[in-house]
Amino acid sequence: DARVTQTPRHKVTEMGQEVTMRCQPILGHNTVFWYRQTMMQGLELLAYFRNRAPLDDSGMPKDRFSAEMPDATLATLKIQPSEPRDSAVYFCASGSRSGSGSSYEQYFGPGTRLTVT
Amino acid sequence: EDQVTQSPEALRLQEGESSSLNCSYTVSGLRGLFWYRQDPGKGPEFLFTLYSAGEEKEKERLKATLTKKESFLHITAPKPEDSATYLCAVQSNTGFQKLVFGTGTRLLVSP
Repeated sequence: DARVTQTPRHKVTEMGQEVTMRCQPILGHNTVFWYRQTMMQGLELLAYFRNRAPLDDSGMPKDRFSAEMPDATLATLKIQPSEPRDSAVYFCASGSRSGSGSSYEQYFGPGTRLTVT
Repeated sequence: EDQVTQSPEALRLQEGESSSLNCSYTVSGLRGLFWYRQDPGKGPEFLFTLYSAGEEKEKERLKATLTKKESFLHITAPKPEDSATYLCAVQSNTGFQKLVFGTGTRLLVSP
């Protein structure tokens, strides 16, 4: 049963600390997306990669967030330094072309719930 | 700018009471409209993709339909296990594979 995995599932940290979230996409998917979900804003796209190359990270605060994909099985999202307003659930999704070939479907991981105190 | 608006924000139904959720959208060339289900504490789970006006797709008690401006998710004779947040998203022809999501409809089905 292929699925996206994310670690850690929960993270509580103090303001100013570095936070690293990891994602393992579904094998064979060549696109990876990072989203942030809050009650107020819903799901927001932060960044995405195609074939490990960053395509768009315009949704991320550049001064503190960074996203990388060091290999095809690992994507990371780092926050340094973290702030209380970063508290949210962060989702990774991997994408593939639909069966009909007409669109690209995304499959989400279980998320990392981040609390910054 | 691509936009998605979902209504109602929340919906409470009795078991067996059929209803519909609405997703209105504006997009610069629709590549696909997606419906996801999200349970508390979990990631969104893919349900359907619709591509063109007039298209319909079904899965168990759910049926999704699409017009040029909106999509409906019809729930027939719902059960308590259908309780979840239902998210709608659009993918445009110009936005690579980006999905723009609505804020969702929280559905609660009471026994």
